[in-house]
Amino acid sequence: NAGVTQTPKFQVLKTGQSMTLQCAQDMNHNSMYWYRQDPGMGLRLIYYSASEGTTDKGEVPNGYNVSRLNKREFSLRLESAAPSQTSVYFCASSRLGADTEAFFGQGTRLTVV
Amino acid sequence: AQSVTQLGSHVSVSEGALVLLRCNYSSSVPPYLFWYVQYPNQGLQLLLKYTSAATLVKGINGFEAEFKKSETSFHLTKPSAHMSDAAEYFCAVSDRGKLIFGQGTELSVKP
Repeated sequence: NAGVTQTPKFQVLKTGQSMTLQCAQDMNHNSMYWYRQDPGMGLRLIYYSASEGTTDKGEVPNGYNVSRLNKREFSLRLESAAPSQTSVYFCASSRLGADTEAFFGQGTRLTVV
Repeated sequence: AQSVTQLGSHVSVSEGALVLLRCNYSSSVPPYLFWYVQYPNQGLQLLLKYTSAATLVKGINGFEAEFKKSETSFHLTKPSAHMSDAAEYFCAVSDRGKLIFGQGTELSVKP
């Protein structure tokens, strides 16, 4: 049972390059999320998708775009990477409802030089 | 907006000692609260969650947390620390289904 799968696990980009982080879940969850984790700041929500066909901004959306391709897949795109986007990115998914927990992928460690 | 604050970015205990990780929440409605653990170079794993069924919540690996409305707290405890408990711990509150995380507390366990 794979759960939430993220690719790639590691990536180094040059400033100005673009890339897409991929995320897929096999738990039939409606909601999916992208977070970034930085030391001392916990996890901050970038974008989320409450259900297929909808996406909304989170706390730190600037410099990112997302696509909810279908119920399983939710991708995060950096159009022009900046050093401030060096971070660990986590994708998560959950059932609908405020009392449900989120399940996390293993993360993508991104370095922008 | 709902939020959580974790007191102490780093906690160090001896093996066998009590673990206490502090979390206070701010919420205008009855909150749903969660504790997650992150081992090095891994994703987050749910330890336990509070959804108003009981104020004392038991989780995995011997951890538990008590919801105290009067203190707006949801502290995480474990009676006896084990070396394998060394990790980073995150408290989170659900904001209409989106998880809002605290800053995290790194737990070190000394032999």
